[in-house]
Amino acid sequence: GENVEQHPSTLSVQEGDSAVIKCTYSDSASNYFPWYKQELGKGPQLIIDIRSNVGEKKDQRIAVTLNKTAKHFSLHITETQPEDSAVYFCAAKVNFGNEKLTFGTGTRLTIIP
Amino acid sequence: DSGVTQTPKHLITATGQRVTLRCSPRSGDLSVYWYQQSLDQGLQFLIHYYNGEERAKGNILERFSAQQFPDLHSELNLSSLELGDSALYFCASSGETKYGYTFGSGTRLTVV
Repeated sequence: GENVEQHPSTLSVQEGDSAVIKCTYSDSASNYFPWYKQELGKGPQLIIDIRSNVGEKKDQRIAVTLNKTAKHFSLHITETQPEDSAVYFCAAKVNFGNEKLTFGTGTRLTIIP
Repeated sequence: DSGVTQTPKHLITATGQRVTLRCSPRSGDLSVYWYQQSLDQGLQFLIHYYNGEERAKGNILERFSAQQFPDLHSELNLSSLELGDSALYFCASSGETKYGYTFGSGTRLTVV
């Protein structure tokens, strides 16, 4: 089955700087890669996703890049703000037949004011 | 509000007991997934139901079971509870054309 590794497990960034979280996956058939943000006491919330036919996707301060050859994808957050502090999870799945999402172990991002 | 409703939000129970967690998916979503999140751990897949049928099982203990009813809500039953079962339990739903999941706010289970 799919295995997703995520690094780093914790990340502290000065407010206004950029943050990068990286994930690798094992199943070359995976073709859908979402990122979730989990705030304290809440469920994970989808913040951005990318499909395998795209190399990069941006949404305001958030971007995701995908390298299918190397089987890794990254989340980039620019101009970080205190409200970006949360746990971020990457995930991967083969989008066929309602396959399940396999999640990385999470990155606790702390923005230092 | 994500549209996925989980009840109860908190549950405290004793070892050896049985509890039922409930999930109502987003309107129109046929798939329900259950995940367990232990303290400082990632999201571990338990089970997936699609339109009433079990589709996939993950690392779900034999003491745990689930079902999805005709109205598409789902229940996760946890029995013979142990201290180690204390965790957040999330359900998520997805639709036919929707790639990602929508998560509920979870049920925090504490076994004492």
